[in-house]
Amino acid sequence: DIQMTQSPSSLSASVGDRVTITCQASQDISNYLNWYQQKPGKAPKLLIYDASNLETGVPSRFSGSGSGTDFTFTISSLQPEDIATYYCQQYDNLPLSFGQGTRLEIK
Amino acid sequence: EVQLVESGGGLVQPGRSLRLSCTASGFTFGDYAMSWFRQAPGKGLEWVGFIRSKAYGGTTEYAASVKGRFTISRDDSKSIAYLQMNSLKTEDTAVYYCSKVVAATSGIFDYWGQGTLVTVSS
Repeated sequence: DIQMTQSPSSLSASVGDRVTITCQASQDISNYLNWYQQKPGKAPKLLIYDASNLETGVPSRFSGSGSGTDFTFTISSLQPEDIATYYCQQYDNLPLSFGQGTRLEIK
Repeated sequence: EVQLVESGGGLVQPGRSLRLSCTASGFTFGDYAMSWFRQAPGKGLEWVGFIRSKAYGGTTEYAASVKGRFTISRDDSKSIAYLQMNSLKTEDTAVYYCSKVVAATSGIFDYWGQGTLVTVSS
């Protein structure tokens, strides 16, 4: 099974800050990596697919990069509505697996 | 507009069964694989399993934690996906989400339901 390791597990930042989250796969997953945002009490929302493609309707301040085993998710200028938990997810192999999540808070 | 609505959750005793439904609208249901995920209270997301579209055999795949106890099925005429959960354990307590894939055979999930809470407790 592929293990996904996200860091940090929590993050506190100020409005306007650049925020970066990393996700490392236990083996090469090419670019089969997605990023989701989940707000409290809500379902996950797809933000980035195939490592770097922005889902339709998602603000351009969100971006992703990487391939192989190392991936990065970036919010270029943090907004108050970005407070949420973010998850990476691989789909290179079954079972599908997620990182443990990064809880993002406003400082 | 794509909508996915889960139903059927509730309180159930260990060892009993429960069936969840995911009613879809706004897209051609039969053309897409459908997946189930869950999230235990205060925990992260966990994939439960999925069912492929009939065009890809309608076959299913499951996480090891539920294989042999859970069964996913679909009724394309009603646009409903089901999750039959048998021999429930306390560790199955979670919010269960259904989701559709972006394309017929991808692992990218673009729409999710609101979730339904399953509590397994005596």
